[in-house]
Amino acid sequence: EAQVTQNPRYLITVTGKKLTVTCSQNMNHEYMSWYRQDPGLGLRQIYYSMNVEVTDKGDVPEGYKVSRKEKRNFPLILESPSPNQTSLYFCASSLSSQGGQETQYFGPGTRLLVL
Amino acid sequence: GESVGLHLPTLSVQEGDNSIINCAYSNSASDYFIWYKQESGKGPQFIIDIRSNMDKRQGQRVTVLLNKTVKHLSLQIAATQPGDSAVYFCAENDGGSNYKLTFGKGTLLTVNP
Repeated sequence: EAQVTQNPRYLITVTGKKLTVTCSQNMNHEYMSWYRQDPGLGLRQIYYSMNVEVTDKGDVPEGYKVSRKEKRNFPLILESPSPNQTSLYFCASSLSSQGGQETQYFGPGTRLLVL
Repeated sequence: GESVGLHLPTLSVQEGDNSIINCAYSNSASDYFIWYKQESGKGPQFIIDIRSNMDKRQGQRVTVLLNKTVKHLSLQIAATQPGDSAVYFCAENDGGSNYKLTFGKGTLLTVNP
């Protein structure tokens, strides 16, 4: 089944403890992106990647890192999580490198609570 | 209706009625628009998209209308069913970057049996 998967789906952690949320797609998509979704603010883009080894900042990149060493994987890294990073996170992918001009397919989400 | 930037509005309809969800955008350079459905506890799911060289596009039970004159987008759902209950939001590419979609905050659709 063609899909975007994220792990873990739920995570509770403490301030300052490094964590990684994994994202993988099996559709051979060029473009991948991370979003956070907060009440009243909608989906905001954190980082995106147009292809392997090519990443760029979105609207809210502070406190996050990403890497794209392989086409299928796009992990989101929080080096030192803080409570304001408590949110619902979504990974998405699209077929071509121009993810802003075509359908993005979303993963199921990762709910993160930082204490 | 919804606008990219406003609080979440709600729409309540009876099962079998048609639903219309609205979205306003501010950038006349926006050239690609997409509607997503998000059910509780799930990721956004693609419904339908439209490019700025079109005024209307139809899918299965859904129609998207684009009025570029007033910068307005709407999603029409025919014969609304309880399974259509969800948050619906529009997204646009504002023409400034091919790598970015800007998402609205969404409209909560509730279908009453």
